[in-house]
Amino acid sequence: GESVGLHLPTLSVQEGDNSIINCAYSNSASDYFIWYKQESGKGPQFIIDIRSNMDKRQGQRVTVLLNKTVKHLSLQIAATQPGDSAVYFCAENIGYSTLTFGKGTMLLVSP
Amino acid sequence: EAGVVQSPRYKIIEKKQPVAFWCNPISGHNTLYWYRQNLGQGPELLIRYENEEAVDDSQLPKDRFSAERLKGVDSTLKIQPAELGDSAVYLCASSHPGQVSYEQYFGPGTRLTVT
Repeated sequence: GESVGLHLPTLSVQEGDNSIINCAYSNSASDYFIWYKQESGKGPQFIIDIRSNMDKRQGQRVTVLLNKTVKHLSLQIAATQPGDSAVYFCAENIGYSTLTFGKGTMLLVSP
Repeated sequence: EAGVVQSPRYKIIEKKQPVAFWCNPISGHNTLYWYRQNLGQGPELLIRYENEEAVDDSQLPKDRFSAERLKGVDSTLKIQPAELGDSAVYLCASSHPGQVSYEQYFGPGTRLTVT
């Protein structure tokens, strides 16, 4: 289930389940969005990106959906694995090379 | 390909002391970023360099923070004097302006604790 922790929203799933992480962005002028994964003690790592002229993009086990009408972004992870446990951030591009990061969601995958 | 290198990884200092962080970006990456990440939050941009020029330092607290990238490669970020509220992870990232995407490659960060 999904819960709001002291600092981060947390999504807990079982290994093999599909995970959906949501993000609301702030600026309707944003033209580019990225999902990053951050493991404990490491810097954010690029997962997948999408431009504002698209509404869906697929990668390996991951899909990003963009709904510009309600300024909503989601990351779907298929067949979630314990190695997917991390904090996930969405980021929006406002102006060239300037990324604004969201607060993040912690994904916990149980074996 | 070597990633973004940062040092030190951890630093503990007393308030009012100075501290410096070092970053070596990925070879060939002209754009370098310094971010600050507070616990439970996403990274926030402090400064962006294109080669040796700081093109966006609007979020850098200039009364106590300074940065330099003298030869357009390595960069240092300095805080003097440090305050308790400066405790955070300081992340360096780099990107190549020729990339189709705006993908930024992050280093592991320096965790600063001010006591």
